[in-house]
Amino acid sequence: KNQVEQSPQSLIILEGKNCTLQCNYTVSPFSNLRWYKQDTGRGPVSLTIMTFSENTKSNGRYTATLDADTKQSSLHITASQLSDSASYICVVSAEDSNYQLIWGAGTKLIIKP
Amino acid sequence: DAGITQSPRHKVTETGTPVTLRCHQTENHRYMYWYRQDPGHGLRLIHYSYGVKDTDKGEVSDGYSVSRSKTEDFLLTLESATSSQTSVYFCAISDHQGRYNGYTFGSGTRLTVV
Repeated sequence: KNQVEQSPQSLIILEGKNCTLQCNYTVSPFSNLRWYKQDTGRGPVSLTIMTFSENTKSNGRYTATLDADTKQSSLHITASQLSDSASYICVVSAEDSNYQLIWGAGTKLIIKP
Repeated sequence: DAGITQSPRHKVTETGTPVTLRCHQTENHRYMYWYRQDPGHGLRLIHYSYGVKDTDKGEVSDGYSVSRSKTEDFLLTLESATSSQTSVYFCAISDHQGRYNGYTFGSGTRLTVV
């Protein structure tokens, strides 16, 4: 069964610190992996999209990595800001699934001043 | 969210009543989707549309129907609301097949069925 698991479920860090969020997936055949940021009361917003051949992708202070062999991805946030407080969701698409994205349950990140 | 609006933003309804949620886009995108989001779960696809009057079921379509009579509007109807349909509903749009391109999401509708 295609699944996406994220860890930790929640994380609290101090402003200015770095953190790394994890995503493991069992989706096959793999098409692409996305990271979304979801602020409270809002819809998800795309941070990165990576295909099989991409190992790293950055978007400002956000850097996503992908290891297609181990089926793992991580999202690293550098020099966290209060505005980074949100849920971060890992989403994987299968090559043979036209419209189906497999969503993780997300990691809730809280940045404390 | 630019180009996509959902209405209403909040709704409380009674069990057994029909409810319609509206998604309106100004981006002229071909593809539109309805998702629900529940605590501890990832977003789950209810229905999607790949053109005017072209719709198909997602993974949790039971108890829901959709209609798309115009490119810009995608309606989600709960035929007879149940407490298990209490959730936050998100509409999304994409201009190409969603697998390869990003989705733009609306701000969501929080539905409570009492």
